[in-house]
Amino acid sequence: DSGVTQTPKHLITATGQRVTLRCSPRSGDLSVYWYQQSLDQGLQFLIQYYNGEERAKGNILERFSAQQFPDLHSELNLSSLELGDSALYFCASSVGGTIDEQFFGPGTRLTVL
Amino acid sequence: DQQVKQNSPSLSVQEGRISILNCDYTNSMFDYFLWYKKYPAEGPTFLISISSIKDKNEDGRFTVFLNKSAKHLSLHIVPSQPGDSAVYFCAASLEYGNKLVFGAGTILRVKS
Repeated sequence: DSGVTQTPKHLITATGQRVTLRCSPRSGDLSVYWYQQSLDQGLQFLIQYYNGEERAKGNILERFSAQQFPDLHSELNLSSLELGDSALYFCASSVGGTIDEQFFGPGTRLTVL
Repeated sequence: DQQVKQNSPSLSVQEGRISILNCDYTNSMFDYFLWYKKYPAEGPTFLISISSIKDKNEDGRFTVFLNKSAKHLSLHIVPSQPGDSAVYFCAASLEYGNKLVFGAGTILRVKS
């Protein structure tokens, strides 16, 4: 158990819908990272927040947005969902704002029908 | 644009033998490399890392080798154990930055 929690574990929805994925980092970690893993692909970095502020941005679509709240939990919002958005979404956390060890949550599997 | 490539989707090794997982990268600016292990239904777990100023880093049964001229790194597991069976991801970053670029992963099966 990494100490990072993600809810829900599974999510099934339809095209055009909007969903919110939630992540609680390990106690004391200030950074939260979001990754997308599509079928047979590596993890794609989406976005990082550090202590409530956006720190780094990767291949995140404009239909996707994220935020980190004062209690340091984070939410990833996915809107106007398309079939291709079906993937595993991982959240990771780390103590600082740069590459130290990132601890990953178990992921949320999103299926868009 | 796959900047980090793991060309072997899977590898099967006998228990007690050496497992060698390979990773190639294209961006010569990468300066920090990591290996993660992932079991089914779990998130990736950090295994070992190496800075570009080194060519080898060891941690118990795990050793990572970096060949900068070939833009190649490898993970050696000796001896391999059935519990090592998992998906192994290679990852790279720029300037000790925040963005990790991951390979597609290699499934390792260690047979007893």
